[in-house]
Amino acid sequence: GESVGLHLPTLSVQEGDNSIINCAYSNSASDYFIWYKQESGKGPQFIIDIRSNMDKRQGQRVTVLLNKTVKHLSLQIAATQPGDSAVYFCAESPQGAQKLVFGQGTRLTINP
Amino acid sequence: KAGVTQTPRYLIKTRGQQVTLSCSPISGHRSVSWYQQTPGQGLQFLFEYFSETQRNKGNFPGRFSGRQFSNSRSEMNVSTLELGDSALYLCASSLMTGVQETQYFGPGTRLLVL
Repeated sequence: GESVGLHLPTLSVQEGDNSIINCAYSNSASDYFIWYKQESGKGPQFIIDIRSNMDKRQGQRVTVLLNKTVKHLSLQIAATQPGDSAVYFCAESPQGAQKLVFGQGTRLTINP
Repeated sequence: KAGVTQTPRYLIKTRGQQVTLSCSPISGHRSVSWYQQTPGQGLQFLFEYFSETQRNKGNFPGRFSGRQFSNSRSEMNVSTLELGDSALYLCASSLMTGVQETQYFGPGTRLLVL
């Protein structure tokens, strides 16, 4: 389905803690998934991606987990920093189509 | 390498007018996609162009159109503007070597329709 929006889920964590942001995707035919970070006044910034033939992928301080059985995606951010405060979007791409279907987003706030 | 650039960054129009937004992709990127972002609907796909051809289209009325030039630069046009067209319009580019690839977004054009 398409993004719903309006009331973003929020997550507040203490600086230095780990955070986990969850996302449910809708299309079982999607085979490419991306996490984006959007700061106020800016366009979405690529964080990490994963293809459907993988369950886990790690980047610098971030890990994405994909559970195709329940159509669930998660983003783990380790040792959060103030600069991690932003809205995080998951996006899925249907097989064969260069288009992204975005989730509604989660607002992450890092408390000092 | 320069990122995706969009012009103008801000725009104010009145109902009934039309508007053209421009996007220059990352050098070497051949696919350009457009998205609309609103508080109520979130990020929604408008259309995607590759080699000057529209390959994918979202669920938007025909008032929304676009094109891509031979240098991969793209424009989108909205005719007969409505108040509900007020949004952040985002352009994204990707390399496109055959499989879905990361789309990199520009800063967006914020359109306000009065």
